[in-house]
Amino acid sequence: AQKVTQAQTEISVVEKEDVTLDCVYETRDTTYYLFWYKQPPSGELVFLIRRNSFDEQNEISGRYSWNFQKSTSSFNFTITASQVVDSAVYFCALSDSNYQLIWGAGTKLIIKP
Amino acid sequence: KAGVTQTPRYLIKTRGQQVTLSCSPISGHRSVSWYQQTPGQGLQFLFEYFSETQRNKGNFPGRFSGRQFSNSRSEMNVSTLELGDSALYLCASSIWPGGMSDTQYFGPGTRLTVL
Repeated sequence: AQKVTQAQTEISVVEKEDVTLDCVYETRDTTYYLFWYKQPPSGELVFLIRRNSFDEQNEISGRYSWNFQKSTSSFNFTITASQVVDSAVYFCALSDSNYQLIWGAGTKLIIKP
Repeated sequence: KAGVTQTPRYLIKTRGQQVTLSCSPISGHRSVSWYQQTPGQGLQFLFEYFSETQRNKGNFPGRFSGRQFSNSRSEMNVSTLELGDSALYLCASSIWPGGMSDTQYFGPGTRLTVL
């Protein structure tokens, strides 16, 4: 069965610290997609990244980077030099042959000034 | 390009009433999905519509229903409201339905409070 686990319920760091959000997934498929979304206090889920199972290259976008490791079924998200505006709930999600997004429970990230 | 819009943003209803929420997808997107988000259950899939047809449905009672119009706009309806229906209802649109790689783009949500 498919499953996405975000074991960190809440993380609190001081501004400018680096922080990594963990995501571990389960699927029997060899082809699948992984997503990260950000949900700020306003409520809207904002798409951050999509990665397919055949592309294990790490991705960097500004202060954001993603580390995809099939060997450990993980798709972790790192924010470098965190800022207060990064405070939000971050969700990891999986899409496979069932064609429905399976969501993790989310990690609430608090960046203190 | 305008994003997904949802109306109203906030609603307060009492038990037993019914409510209709509206969602306008991104221009050119033909699939609309609805989610319920609560602190206890997280994000739960309600249903997905494409070409005015419901293609997938989550595990919710029949009080939850929806429809899609020919312009891809969608509405969801909840009848006989219960206290437990208080939640943030999120609408998401995508270009095609059910594609493994398809990215869903979300609206700001409608926060429903049932008293």
